[in-house]
Amino acid sequence: AQSVSQHNHHVILSEAASLELGCNYSYGGTVNLFWYVQYPGQHLQLLLKYFSGDPLVKGIKGFEAEFIKSKFSFNLRKPSVQWSDTAEYFCAVTLNTGGFKTIFGAGTRLFVKA
Amino acid sequence: DAGVTQSPTHLIKTRGQQVTLRCSPKSGHDTVSWYQQALGQGPQFIFQYYEEEERQRGNFPDRFSGHQFPNYSSELNVNALLLGDSALYLCASSLVTGKSGEQYFGPGTRLTVT
Repeated sequence: AQSVSQHNHHVILSEAASLELGCNYSYGGTVNLFWYVQYPGQHLQLLLKYFSGDPLVKGIKGFEAEFIKSKFSFNLRKPSVQWSDTAEYFCAVTLNTGGFKTIFGAGTRLFVKA
Repeated sequence: DAGVTQSPTHLIKTRGQQVTLRCSPKSGHDTVSWYQQALGQGPQFIFQYYEEEERQRGNFPDRFSGHQFPNYSSELNVNALLLGDSALYLCASSLVTGKSGEQYFGPGTRLTVT
């Protein structure tokens, strides 16, 4: 069965620390990959996406992610986090099986200490 | 440009009852997907509607059904409610012609079953 695994459920960092959130998926076919973010009290919103081309993609607010096909991974990174990055982060994989079906990971709650 | 809207915001129902949740997609979008997000988990794909038909379905029982109207808005119906159906129900809209399957999410409807 298709699945998405996020390695950390809770992460606590100090401001200016570097961030890396792991994401692995299990599906042998073509996928589109996403990171969504949910800030406290707000909707899920798109952080960045990959569907073809350069495997290193850049998103909003200084986030980037690297797609490594051989490892079925799509890890999220940010060199220096800010207090305002406190949020829940979801990795998602969209499968094109005649329509788009999206599978989400369980999410990682990031808390950044000021 | 209105984003995805959902109604109602909150709902409390009793076991065995039926519930209908509503979603209006982002302007210009033609595809609506529904997700269930239990506390502490990532969104789980329920189904997707395009051209008033269900195109994709996740692992949810037949108690969960939907409908899409000619104006692309959608309803999610859940019959014979169980305590385990308590969750945040998210609607997401997209364009069927979009390459990446990128979705825009609404704020959700919080359903509590007592």
